[in-house]
Amino acid sequence: GAVVSQHPSWVICKSGTSVKIECRSLDFQATTMFWYRQFPKQSLMLMATSNEGSKATYEQGVEKDKFLINHASLTLSTLTVTSAHPEDSSFYICSAGDSGYGYTFGSGTRLTVV
Amino acid sequence: AQKVTQAQTEISVVEKEDVTLDCVYETRDTTYYLFWYKQPPSGELVFLIRRNSFDEQNEISGRYSWNFQKSTSSFNFTITASQVVDSAVYFCAFERGSQGNLIFGKGTKLSVKP
Repeated sequence: GAVVSQHPSWVICKSGTSVKIECRSLDFQATTMFWYRQFPKQSLMLMATSNEGSKATYEQGVEKDKFLINHASLTLSTLTVTSAHPEDSSFYICSAGDSGYGYTFGSGTRLTVV
Repeated sequence: AQKVTQAQTEISVVEKEDVTLDCVYETRDTTYYLFWYKQPPSGELVFLIRRNSFDEQNEISGRYSWNFQKSTSSFNFTITASQVVDSAVYFCAFERGSQGNLIFGKGTKLSVKP
């Protein structure tokens, strides 16, 4: 089955620094990947749709300049949280796939900004 | 707008009991997909099932079964003879057409006690 790998699993960073999260499709090509955010004990909210070779599409209320998305190849999308602040602490998770087979999610990245 | 409601926030059962997790959705679309995902404490999302709006057949997979009723806009999930390993948060999700961005319910936390 489709496998999506996400790294790192967890990261602690200082306020004001930037953090990059990688999402890779290991055994299939993904022209589109999705980034979600999940606050503790809450649901997943779509942040943006990552499109290979073009700009990402952001959901309303998501700051483009804060959450930079790059999808430079058919197997890799990255999410960079720039100038991170404690309120950015959350669980970030990516997905790829299609409706035909269901969307596979990465294992998620727990970001803590101190 | 589309919406997914999982009214049960938490459910606690004793091992071997049957349990049903409710999911109600709202949409005016005629073509859509519904999903169930399991999120164990480790955080990753495990795909359980995908159902398209034209397929109202119920499905059984081992101890899991799903009941899709368009008349009541419900897509309920039943675990038969629950086990401790079933303890997790279960999310119901909606996808409009094949756009790929999923709208999640708030999740139901299931605790199965030995």
